[in-house]
Amino acid sequence: DAGITQSPRHKVTETGTPVTLRCHQTENHRYMYWYRQDPGHGLRLIHYSYGVKDTDKGEVSDGYSVSRSKTEDFLLTLESATSSQTSVYFCAIRNDRRDEKLFFGSGTQLSVL
Amino acid sequence: GNSVTQMEGPVTLSEEAFLTINCTYTATGYPSLFWYVQYPGEGLQLLLKATKADDKGSNKGFEATYRKETTSFHLEKGSVQVSDSAVYFCALSSGAGSYQLTFGKGTKLSVIP
Repeated sequence: DAGITQSPRHKVTETGTPVTLRCHQTENHRYMYWYRQDPGHGLRLIHYSYGVKDTDKGEVSDGYSVSRSKTEDFLLTLESATSSQTSVYFCAIRNDRRDEKLFFGSGTQLSVL
Repeated sequence: GNSVTQMEGPVTLSEEAFLTINCTYTATGYPSLFWYVQYPGEGLQLLLKATKADDKGSNKGFEATYRKETTSFHLEKGSVQVSDSAVYFCALSSGAGSYQLTFGKGTKLSVIP
């Protein structure tokens, strides 16, 4: 299994509070992604990174920010959580441009009350 | 933009039945196509892929053929097992530098003894 750790695995928070989810990899892969999974929507890309300090938006980036200060860590922050951000969040990594295979973490279940 | 359409689930089959999960896509250029599988409580895993027209991807008894003329990539298995119960996602790569994946909404398969 690819070395991807997501933390926390579960979190319950209140509307309006900031939340940070962490993705840590031990594979030294260049590309990292944050997806959210919701019933009826499949997986949708929030943000991705193609290197340290290099990030870009996905299709559902509103209300989210990311940071990547080290190759191994990719943080997803909800500046002010809303109930619509209740979801399962998956981190994924990919080695390089010639390898299209994504490796996924086990996910973080986030509930915003 | 790119899009992937999968058959609606859930799909319930008896053990040893034949499985087909339909997937069609819309994309510019020549995308690569994938099937990912998600077992309960886990992240997604790559099941198989095909990178050009008429390629057949196969793994664990599952097969899918890249049909450019019908823009399809249907997943098939001749004899399903209870252990195949999972959610299956069809996906395509954007072909751009970041190789973002676009996922279908997923099809839940339940196999009963």
